[in-house]
Amino acid sequence: QVQLVQSRAEVKRPGASVKVSCKATGYTFTSYALHWVRQAPGQRLEWMGWILPINGNTEYSQKFHDRVTFGMDTSANTAYMELSSLGSEDTAIYFCARSVFYLSAFVSYWGQGTQVTVSS
Amino acid sequence: EIVLTQSPGTLSLSPGERATLSCRASQTVSDSYLAWYQQKPGQAPRLLIFGASTRATGIPDRFSDSGSGTDFTLTISRLEPEDAAVYFCQQSENSPYTFGQGTKLEIK
Repeated sequence: QVQLVQSRAEVKRPGASVKVSCKATGYTFTSYALHWVRQAPGQRLEWMGWILPINGNTEYSQKFHDRVTFGMDTSANTAYMELSSLGSEDTAIYFCARSVFYLSAFVSYWGQGTQVTVSS
Repeated sequence: EIVLTQSPGTLSLSPGERATLSCRASQTVSDSYLAWYQQKPGQAPRLLIFGASTRATGIPDRFSDSGSGTDFTLTISRLEPEDAAVYFCQQSENSPYTFGQGTKLEIK
């Protein structure tokens, strides 16, 4: 069955960077887009962007485009999200999620989420 | 960006009743580009319906959606206790693919 397993929770200082991984199993990694979505406490879900594992193409939300980088290792069926210049407003649960079909913006499988806490 | 506004903020209903949840967009969204998710505490969201009334795998037909333009509705008929959750809409008309703020459904 399809599973997305994310890396463990992180605590970071303001100004630091964080890298979250997402290992996919149960499907052909290159056949679906992988999205990154975050959820801050009491806030709505926030779409950060996506990566297409078949060719590495990315699209970033304008809000994050100068601070976020998506990457992947197709040999390990793993995607990565790195967010830099962290501030307290970046404290959130970060999810990776697989698209319903190749280029869909809708997602049908989610990782368990990675809590990122930014605190001095 | 397209702003999605959901109402009501909280809905409290009894088992067997019908729930009607609203999602209003700040600009026109094709009904093919709107989806609904359910999220329970401590869990990731779960896709319910997407792309013009297509139910995701395993979603019962008690869940249905309707609407067009800027006004969309998720209807849950014959409520069950396990339907208690927060429900979000999402649009894919324009990037960034925004979500509504959610409607919390309580089952009495």
